[in-house]
Amino acid sequence: GAGVSQSPSNKVTEKGKDVELRCDPISGHTALYWYRQSLGQGLEFLIYFQGNSAPDKSGLPSDRFSAERTGGSVSTLTIQRTQQEDSAVYLCASTTGGYNTGELFFGEGSRLTVL
Amino acid sequence: GESVGLHLPTLSVQEGDNSIINCAYSNSASDYFIWYKQESGKGPQFIIDIRSNMDKRQGQRVTVLLNKTVKHLSLQIAATQPGDSAVYFCAENYSGNTPLVFGKGTRLSVIA
Repeated sequence: GAGVSQSPSNKVTEKGKDVELRCDPISGHTALYWYRQSLGQGLEFLIYFQGNSAPDKSGLPSDRFSAERTGGSVSTLTIQRTQQEDSAVYLCASTTGGYNTGELFFGEGSRLTVL
Repeated sequence: GESVGLHLPTLSVQEGDNSIINCAYSNSASDYFIWYKQESGKGPQFIIDIRSNMDKRQGQRVTVLLNKTVKHLSLQIAATQPGDSAVYFCAENYSGNTPLVFGKGTRLSVIA
């Protein structure tokens, strides 16, 4: 597709369940980011991929959060044993450059609600 | 903690007027700044960026000003239109070795 695609767009789950969020970056973009946006808040960095490797995982809030990227393309963010405080919009972005390339191309996000 | 913040959480302007959205940053090492626009239900969209070796940069109807002395960044939108209604985020980066740090955002409402 022309832009970053994320799925599902909305996910409602029960506390304690695992969820997987998917990101399809723009073709050819080597860098991929996951951010989290809580209601009325700014974007909180979670993890950065360059190719298939993740040189910066410093934003993952706990060991319940993990992410992988395969084939230098699709990425999956997994949240295990979800908690209510995990409720947020999870945004994925891709770009051709590294950290100092500001023009990140964002998807529309996956809205997660944990009941 | 937040190293990027905002002076005003909401801003209402009349259509056709100029808008000024402000942002403060606390890290003097930050050398790259970006403004993003986020419309309801969408992901943020890049507007304009500026590096620390500049104090002003202009785009189409937008101007970003950087004052390194007081660690202040602003976004000026000329002739504000209804389509400019959105939340605007500033973001910073230092030395290209860290991910962008976003502020909490300012909601701009344009009154027709």
